Amino acid sequence: QLVLTQSPSASASLGASVKLTCTLSSGHSSYTIAWHQQQPEKGPRYLMKLNSDGSHSRGDGIPDRFSGSSSGAERYLTISSLQSEDEADYYCQTWGTGIWFFGGGTKLTVL
Amino acid sequence: EVQLVESGGGLVKPGGSLRLSCAASGFTFSSYSMSWVRQAPGKGLEWVSSMSSSGSYIYYADSVKGRFTISRDNAKNSLYLQMNSLRAEDTAVYYCARVRVAVDDAFDIWGQGTMVTVSS
Repeated sequence: QLVLTQSPSASASLGASVKLTCTLSSGHSSYTIAWHQQQPEKGPRYLMKLNSDGSHSRGDGIPDRFSGSSSGAERYLTISSLQSEDEADYYCQTWGTGIWFFGGGTKLTVL
Repeated sequence: EVQLVESGGGLVKPGGSLRLSCAASGFTFSSYSMSWVRQAPGKGLEWVSSMSSSGSYIYYADSVKGRFTISRDNAKNSLYLQMNSLRAEDTAVYYCARVRVAVDDAFDIWGQGTMVTVSS
């Protein structure tokens, strides 16, 4: 069973950096994922696609403050120079043939 | 501007039906697979259904299989979700999303969502 695990919450200070983690279930460490941001009361926004080798491609208009990396079954989203508008829920997503999965989301608080 | 706009949500009684629409603009709709994703109040995202660009491939989550039907009209740049036998647990914001490139891929464009409330 393909499962994505995310910590429910994270926090970091304005101007600092934060690294969010998405963990793929056993046997699925080669999977590509995507990261999405959902600001309060808004629809999700695609941030990037992240491969198992750490290569990633950001969506249109996504600043390079958002970057991705990988290690084994872990997929990371690093946000640098945190801004107040980065306070949001962050979801990872993966997929197989005809099926898609989301992690439970991480609520990021910018202090 | 690339945009997806959902409509058709509302309040419906358990066992009732509702049809959601998603109007696409700013891209060649007929070239992309499309999906529906929902989010129950205070909860995370749940994939609901997807359809390939030509309609040849259709997929459903187990939670809606047999009750929901996805369809599209490429001439009208529109995606639809017919929801029958609605249950309280179907209460959610429903989002339309574009599948990035391949039939199986990330969702790269999202709508703003339409709220569906199932309650007596």
